[in-house]
Amino acid sequence: DTEVTQTPKHLVMGMTNKKSLKCEQHMGHRAMYWYKQKAKKPPELMFVYSYEKLSINESVPSRFSPECPNSSLLNLHLHALQPEDSALYLCASSQATGYGYTFGSGTRLTVV
Amino acid sequence: SQQGEEDPQALSIQEGENATMNCSYKTSINNLQWYRQNSGRGLVHLILIRSNEREKHSGRLRVTLDTSKKSSSLLITASRAADTASYFCATDIGNTPLVFGKGTRLSVIA
Repeated sequence: DTEVTQTPKHLVMGMTNKKSLKCEQHMGHRAMYWYKQKAKKPPELMFVYSYEKLSINESVPSRFSPECPNSSLLNLHLHALQPEDSALYLCASSQATGYGYTFGSGTRLTVV
Repeated sequence: SQQGEEDPQALSIQEGENATMNCSYKTSINNLQWYRQNSGRGLVHLILIRSNEREKHSGRLRVTLDTSKKSSSLLITASRAADTASYFCATDIGNTPLVFGKGTRLSVIA
């Protein structure tokens, strides 16, 4: 299995909703990442998990809460989002520093 | 903050022509990577070139790296309509995650 699987592909949520994004990989990669991408912009790093521990939080608002239950799974819990949080959320994994990343196809999030 | 800057921002060519995209960066790197993104989809890793390498090939792709000028180029030969996408360079500068440039939007017209 050489894929990163993200679910759902599309999500529409209200500003008072709680939802979660899911990311899964079975390549044995020990680093996993969440990126946020707005239209016609590059991906922006949000969080990094290394060996299931949060190693980097790029000053992301607390309404985004990451979780890594095991080495194959990464979640992003969403609560009280704002319309400006609407974006493509990308999950990626890598074997280690110095290797290429494998990206999922993303979750298109719309906050209404 | 962005490390890499791609040039041009947008490129439109005819099918069969070659496409060249450039990336400049600011600090020393361990490696530089190129990714492709089709509209609204995830990024696909194309090629990784290490700081001690000068050129690398993969199919119709050719990547060069000039560490003295802190620049890299991606050449796509004999382009096809399916090559239409955004292309990003990303720099690996050590024990930090990849930082992506702003990207080049390539349109290949059939």
